[in-house]
Amino acid sequence: GENVEQHPSTLSVQEGDSAVIKCTYSDSASNYFPWYKQELGKRPQLIIDIRSNVGEKKDQRIAVTLNKTAKHFSLHITETQPEDSAVYFCAAPRSYNTDKLIFGTGTRLQVFP
Amino acid sequence: SQTIHQWPATLVQPVGSPLSLECTVEGTSNPNLYWYRQAAGRGLQLLFYSVGIGQISSEVPQNLSASRPQDRQFILSSKKLLLSDSGFYLCAWTAGGFGYTFGSGTRLTVV
Repeated sequence: GENVEQHPSTLSVQEGDSAVIKCTYSDSASNYFPWYKQELGKRPQLIIDIRSNVGEKKDQRIAVTLNKTAKHFSLHITETQPEDSAVYFCAAPRSYNTDKLIFGTGTRLQVFP
Repeated sequence: SQTIHQWPATLVQPVGSPLSLECTVEGTSNPNLYWYRQAAGRGLQLLFYSVGIGQISSEVPQNLSASRPQDRQFILSSKKLLLSDSGFYLCAWTAGGFGYTFGSGTRLTVV
């Protein structure tokens, strides 16, 4: 079964700087990698995802990169803003051809003005 | 459009009392439904998932159970709550395309 590790557990950056969060996965057959943002006391919300047939995907200030050989994927946030402060979770399918997700342990991002 | 409803939003229950949390999805049919639990400051643990009425798979042996009496209704239950059952319970659905949509969550405190 899949195992997902996420680093760092906390990340503090100055407004305008970039933030990078990394996740590694164990199952080489995994083919879908979403990222969720969870603000304090609220539900996680999907912010970006990537499938295994592409290496990078961008959506305005956020991007996700995937290295299938090394089995890791990363979330990149550029020009960070205070409203980016939240907990971010990566995830991967529990096993091939399933939509049951295994989540990383989360990264608490703080953006200081 | 599809929406997911989860209630109650908060719940304080004594140890040994029963539990019933409900989740319903609107605007879709035959969704895959999930219950996750999030302990304070921790990640998301998959508890149960269901691919259809009456079809429940349990991921973690525990004090909880789940049922799906209707296509778009998913219920999380317990006969006797433990202190360790405290947490933030999240229902989620997907149409099979991997993109989860979470409900607003129930914050359960067992006292």
